[in-house]
Amino acid sequence: KQEVTQIPAALSVPEGENLVLNCSFTDSAIYNLQWFRQDPGKGLTSLLLIQSSQREQTSGRLNASLDKSSGRSTLYIAASQPGDSATYLCAVRQETSGSRLTFGEGTQLTVNP
Amino acid sequence: GAVVSQHPSWVICKSGTSVKIECRSLDFQATTMFWYRQFPKQSLMLMATSNEGSKATYEQGVEKDKFLINHASLTLSTLTVTSAHPEDSSFYICSVPGLVRADTQYFGPGTRLTVL
Repeated sequence: KQEVTQIPAALSVPEGENLVLNCSFTDSAIYNLQWFRQDPGKGLTSLLLIQSSQREQTSGRLNASLDKSSGRSTLYIAASQPGDSATYLCAVRQETSGSRLTFGEGTQLTVNP
Repeated sequence: GAVVSQHPSWVICKSGTSVKIECRSLDFQATTMFWYRQFPKQSLMLMATSNEGSKATYEQGVEKDKFLINHASLTLSTLTVTSAHPEDSSFYICSVPGLVRADTQYFGPGTRLTVL
């Protein structure tokens, strides 16, 4: 059974810092990995999706990497802003699970002005 | 704009009552929709897969008689929490697989259920 772990559970940084969020998964037979953002009491917004054959994806100040063999992904946020404050979730889709996703418990990020 | 909507956004009910939550795909038809549950400070847990024209597929440990799912049309799935109890209080989120990019999912804004 796939298990997804995110470290740290919470992170508080001053504005402008570069930061890294970590995600690990136990079963490397994934189809893709996705990073989401969730604001309090809201649904999920997809940030980046990395296919299993890819090593990284970039969107603006966000960069996500994937090391499938070691079961790890990182989300790098450059020059953090208070508006980045949210919970960040990573989720993996197995090769054999159709569209079903397995989520980590998230990293709650606070960027202080 | 929103691709997936949910209604209501929040609901408070008494223990023992039933609550229906709607999930609508606004931009395209969806033969499959997913229902997740999220407890405070926890991750999303898949409850069931809603299939248009056939029975829903429930995850292990999810009571199908308690959480009734009806995929009424290609744009609407409903989740009914029957005989709700305080432990059913949670955030319920639905998602729809992408039409063009089936490897991504679009999530609804969620429904906060509080059972007194």
